[in-house]
Amino acid sequence: DAGVIQSPRHEVTEMGQEVTLRCKPISGHDYLFWYRQTMMRGLELLIYFNNNVPIDDSGMPEDRFSAKMPNASFSTLKIQPSEPRDSAVYFCASSRDVFSGANVLTFGAGSRLTVL
Amino acid sequence: AQSVSQHNHHVILSEAASLELGCNYSYGGTVNLFWYVQYPGQHLQLLLKYFSGDPLVKGIKGFEAEFIKSKFSFNLRKPSVQWSDTAEYFCAVTSNTGKLIFGQGTTLQVKP
Repeated sequence: DAGVIQSPRHEVTEMGQEVTLRCKPISGHDYLFWYRQTMMRGLELLIYFNNNVPIDDSGMPEDRFSAKMPNASFSTLKIQPSEPRDSAVYFCASSRDVFSGANVLTFGAGSRLTVL
Repeated sequence: AQSVSQHNHHVILSEAASLELGCNYSYGGTVNLFWYVQYPGQHLQLLLKYFSGDPLVKGIKGFEAEFIKSKFSFNLRKPSVQWSDTAEYFCAVTSNTGKLIFGQGTTLQVKP
């Protein structure tokens, strides 16, 4: 298994541009999570999906952020328009089940975003 | 609402010293508890987890954690750290909604 795959690994963009981050979860995992990591705030949960349906998006900072999961093997996190304070590492993670003792979140390598 | 608090933000130890990183959570119901580690330049990896049973949980690389329900704590320990343990450590908690919340993280620096 290739694990959770995120793209791009690095993105540098200018303020005001649209940014799209992509994630391919592990096959068979029903849960998908988007996190943002910054020095100031640590790891923040932005949104998570169960069976492609958003369950909790209370962590999404503002309307500039949106996330979709059109099918079980793909999710996007979009920022439009981007701002310098959005600079962070964005992690995607997936898990088979969040209730069983065997469950573990598997994280992707992250997408490092820099907004100039 | 769930929350996780890690008391130590930055810890510096010499090799062979003992380690204990504090973690307290706020949630009244049944919780599942985790410690994740992030080595420099890498993504998060699971160290250990607690779902039920023995409150003393053993993980990889000699780490262990003890769940004390009365104190809402899940402290991470290692009797003797190595230089390779230099990393950032995150405590996390999930409730029955499946939402996984992380603490702020503790940066551990081990001096050779």
